[in-house]
Amino acid sequence: GENVEQHPSTLSVQEGDSAVIKCTYSDSASNYFPWYKQELGKRPQLIIDIRSNVGEKKDQRIAVTLNKTAKHFSLHITETQPEDSAVYFCAASKLIDFGNEKLTFGTGTRLTIIP
Amino acid sequence: EAGVAQSPRYKIIEKRQSVAFWCNPISGHATLYWYQQILGQGPKLLIQFQNNGVVDDSQLPKDRFSAERLKGVDSTLKIQPAKLEDSAVYLCASSMRVGEAKNIQYFGAGTRLSVL
Repeated sequence: GENVEQHPSTLSVQEGDSAVIKCTYSDSASNYFPWYKQELGKRPQLIIDIRSNVGEKKDQRIAVTLNKTAKHFSLHITETQPEDSAVYFCAASKLIDFGNEKLTFGTGTRLTIIP
Repeated sequence: EAGVAQSPRYKIIEKRQSVAFWCNPISGHATLYWYQQILGQGPKLLIQFQNNGVVDDSQLPKDRFSAERLKGVDSTLKIQPAKLEDSAVYLCASSMRVGEAKNIQYFGAGTRLSVL
């Protein structure tokens, strides 16, 4: 089955600096890569996603890049703010059957923004 | 638009007892997922429904876990009997099956289970 590895497990950055989280996946059939943000005690929420036919996508201070050949994708947060502190999960999705997809999550990165 | 609803929010039981969780997906979402999230880990898929049929339950411990979605809307997840290692947050999610939006999963707030 699919295996998604995520690094680092913890990351602390000064407010205003950039943060980068990296993930690798094992199954070349995976074609959709969402990133979820989970604040303490709350539900995971989708913050950005990318499909396999796109190499990069940006939404304000957040960007995601995908390298299909190397099977890795990254989340970039610029101009970090205290409210960016949370656990971030990457995930990889592939078609299983009858038009259904299966999502496999990484182990998460706890991001702390230091004021 | 209402989100994914789950209940209860918290549950504390002793090992070998039974417990059930309930999920109501976003209206119109045909696909429903149950995940187990152990502290410090990412969500792990337990079972996936398409309407009232099971699409994937390969990671569901079938000797103690069961789930159903009889009318293709609400779903229940049951653990019987519970073990200490079942302590986790159980997340329900749902997604559409229309065009590009079909991959996006929306999560409920989860049920935090503590097995003592």
